[in-house]
Amino acid sequence: DSGVTQTPKHLITATGQRVTLRCSPRSGDLSVYWYQQSLDQGLQFLIQYYNGEERAKGNILERFSAQQFPDLHSELNLSSLELGDSALYFCASGNSGATDTQYFGPGTRLTVL
Amino acid sequence: GENVEQHPSTLSVQEGDSAVIKCTYSDSASNYFPWYKQELGKRPQLIIDIRSNVGEKKDQRIAVTLNKTAKHFSLHITETQPEDSAVYFCAAYAGTYKYIFGTGTRLKVLA
Repeated sequence: DSGVTQTPKHLITATGQRVTLRCSPRSGDLSVYWYQQSLDQGLQFLIQYYNGEERAKGNILERFSAQQFPDLHSELNLSSLELGDSALYFCASGNSGATDTQYFGPGTRLTVL
Repeated sequence: GENVEQHPSTLSVQEGDSAVIKCTYSDSASNYFPWYKQELGKRPQLIIDIRSNVGEKKDQRIAVTLNKTAKHFSLHITETQPEDSAVYFCAAYAGTYKYIFGTGTRLKVLA
């Protein structure tokens, strides 16, 4: 157990819908990273937050947005869902937001039908 | 742009043999290189990492080497065991608060 929690574990929804994925970092960690992993693919970096502020953006679609709250949990919002958005979404937490050891959560498996 | 190439994409070895996975990065400013192991349907877990001021690091059967001049780093697993079977990802810290991951190597250790 990495100490990073993600909810829900599984999510099944329809095209065009909107969903919210939640992540709580390890106690003491200030940064949260979000990644997308499609079937048999690598980890695509989406976005990083550090202590409530967006710090880095990767290949995140405009339909996706995220935020980190004062209690440091983070939410990833995915809207106007398409079939191709089906994937495992991982968050990871770290302490400094720089050359951190990243601890990954268990992931949320999103299926868009 | 920042890129990490990882080879091979699949690797089969006999139990007890060694396995080597290689990664090449493009950003010369990268200074931290972790390796992750991911079992099917599970989270990636850090197995070893190396910083740019070190050329080699070892932890029991696992070692990582870094060649900053050539911009490549490698994972070495000795005396492989069936439980080493998994997908391994390398990553490079790109210096802009983000990590770039390799595409993964599926390692199969044959008993």
